[in-house]
Amino acid sequence: GENVGLHLPTLSVQEGDNSIINCAYSNSASDYFIWYKQESGKGPQFIIDIRSNMDKRQGQRVTVLLNKTVKHLSLQIAATQPGDSAVYFCAENIGDTGRRALTFGSGTRLQVQP
Amino acid sequence: DTGVSQNPRHKITKRGQNVTFRCDPISEHNRLYWYRQTLGQGPEFLTYFQNEAQLEKSRLLSDRFSAERPKGSFSTLEIQRTEQGDSAMYLCASSSRELGYGYTFGSGTRLTVV
Repeated sequence: GENVGLHLPTLSVQEGDNSIINCAYSNSASDYFIWYKQESGKGPQFIIDIRSNMDKRQGQRVTVLLNKTVKHLSLQIAATQPGDSAVYFCAENIGDTGRRALTFGSGTRLQVQP
Repeated sequence: DTGVSQNPRHKITKRGQNVTFRCDPISEHNRLYWYRQTLGQGPEFLTYFQNEAQLEKSRLLSDRFSAERPKGSFSTLEIQRTEQGDSAMYLCASSSRELGYGYTFGSGTRLTVV
């Protein structure tokens, strides 16, 4: 939405560099994780997801790593572009309960310097 | 446009007034969700529908809030006797069982209570 992430942690990278955005989740029962990108004035946009039976999943220019031991999730963006500038949220879900709600983290702002 | 549509995009209302927002999900999606997002925070779950049935409500959804999805298609979210604390972005998302949990979000309705 507008002015998303006024006081969020910010990661500033140079265009062409790789970016790593980290997320700590709290519920050890969570079995499904999603990364979303949110640009100003828009709703969250799905980037990539991963289930708890996996450690790594790759998409186009993005990779998600899951470390269940320390309850840590990371999003790696290769060859970061100015269009990648946005706020990034991780979200988790406890699928076994049938609950469909996602719990979102607080977000990280990515600024790509040309 | 085949995405999730939300109307209005912006709403300014005086404290104590009632407001209603509308969400039109992706037509083949049977699941619909409402989330609320305040500045600098990730979205917070409010409620979830599967077809016309409201299956889950968050504790955030006070008795001033009501959501409906009368024919299993579009949904409305009404806030009665608005308070300044209701100022937020209200996001709608939809999904289908075949897609798993990967929602598609709309662009949201920004509510400002003055």
